[in-house]
Formats: sequence, C-alpha cells, structure tokens
Amino acid sequence: AQSVTQPDIHITVSEGASLELRCNYSYGATPYLFWYVQSPGQGLQLLLKYFSGDTLVQGIKGFEAEFKRSQSSFNLRKPSVHWSDAAEYFCAVGGTGFQKLVFGTGTRLLVSP
Amino acid sequence: GAVVSQHPSRVICKSGTSVKIECRSLDFQATTMFWYRQFPKQSLMLMATSNEGSKATYEQGVEKDKFLINHASLTLSTLTVTSAHPEDSSFYICSAPLGEGYTFGSGTRLTVV
Repeated sequence: AQSVTQPDIHITVSEGASLELRCNYSYGATPYLFWYVQSPGQGLQLLLKYFSGDTLVQGIKGFEAEFKRSQSSFNLRKPSVHWSDAAEYFCAVGGTGFQKLVFGTGTRLLVSP
Repeated sequence: GAVVSQHPSRVICKSGTSVKIECRSLDFQATTMFWYRQFPKQSLMLMATSNEGSKATYEQGVEKDKFLINHASLTLSTLTVTSAHPEDSSFYICSAPLGEGYTFGSGTRLTVV
C-alpha cells in the first residue's frame, strides 16, 4: 500500500535561512509526487510535482524538490525563507491514471524573525 | 481558469441535521471527484471517490449511509453529511484530477453543535 512519511511535525526556521522539509514515500510503481502548502483554514495550493524526467523540479515561490528513487525521498527545499512561507506543508503520492492521493501527516513551518 | 468551487466555506449545524457540501468544476469536466476530511492539525484522509454517473467508492471505515455522495453531472459533486454529530465536525475538501495534477476546492469547515 502506498504511504507517505513526513518525519518532522514542526520546523522553525529563521527568516532568510534555508529550508528543507523531508518526505519519504512507499509506492509499488513509479510514483507521482506532490508538495502542497496550506494556510490556516484554507485549501491546498500546489507548490510542485514530479512525474518523470529531471529529478530536480522547480516550483512556485522559489521552492524546489529532488526525487531520489534510491532513498524513496522527495524533499522540499528553499534557499531563503520568507515570513509569508509560514504554513502547513504536505507531501503526497499518487500513481498513473490520477488515482487517489495519499498525503503525509504534514509539517508545520514556523518562521522566526 | 479551471478550478473547483466549493460551497459553503463554513457551516454550523445542529446535531441530528443534515448538511450538503457542493463542489463544482468550473471550465472543465470532472469525471472523478475525491472527497477528503481533515481533522484539526491532522492530514487529509480520503473518504471516498465519486465518478460521474456511478456509485461512489468509499474508503474503509467510512460510513456510506452517513456520507452520501452524488456525482450526477460532470460539473457537480455533492457530499451530504446525514444526521450529523459533533464528531463529524471537520474540514472537508474536494479534489478533481486536472491536467497533470489535481485541483482542490477551498474546503468547508463543518461545526456540529
């Protein structure tokens, strides 16, 4: 069965510092991987996705993620965090044919001044 | 652009009553709609998958007689929470496959008092 693990429940980063949010997945075939961001009481906004090809994908708001098949990971990175990046971040995995997504438990990002 | 419009955004109902949540696909046809539930500070859990013109597929542990899903047209899917109880209070989000990914509704905050 497919699953997603986000080992960090909370992360606090100073504004301007770099960020890495971890995501590990379990999937029996080639995964489709996604990162979403959610502000309190809001829906989900897609940051980036990986289907195939270049394993380093660029997303919106300066985010990027790297797919590492050998480590079953899809970590999200940003070189310099802004206070507006404070939110909940979800990693998700799906498969071909756009079947259901399985979400990780989320990582809450706090940005300190 | 193509989005999923979800209404209402917030609803408060009395225990024992029913509540209907609507998700409309704008500028595209959604043959499939996923319904998720998110409890406070938790991840999104898939409740059911609806397909236009057929019965919804429910995830294990989700009561199909309590959470009625209707997907009668290519642009409208509805979730009705019947005989709602306080434990049904949650954030409900719909999602449809679109292009190379998924689009999400903005969510419905249900509070049962």
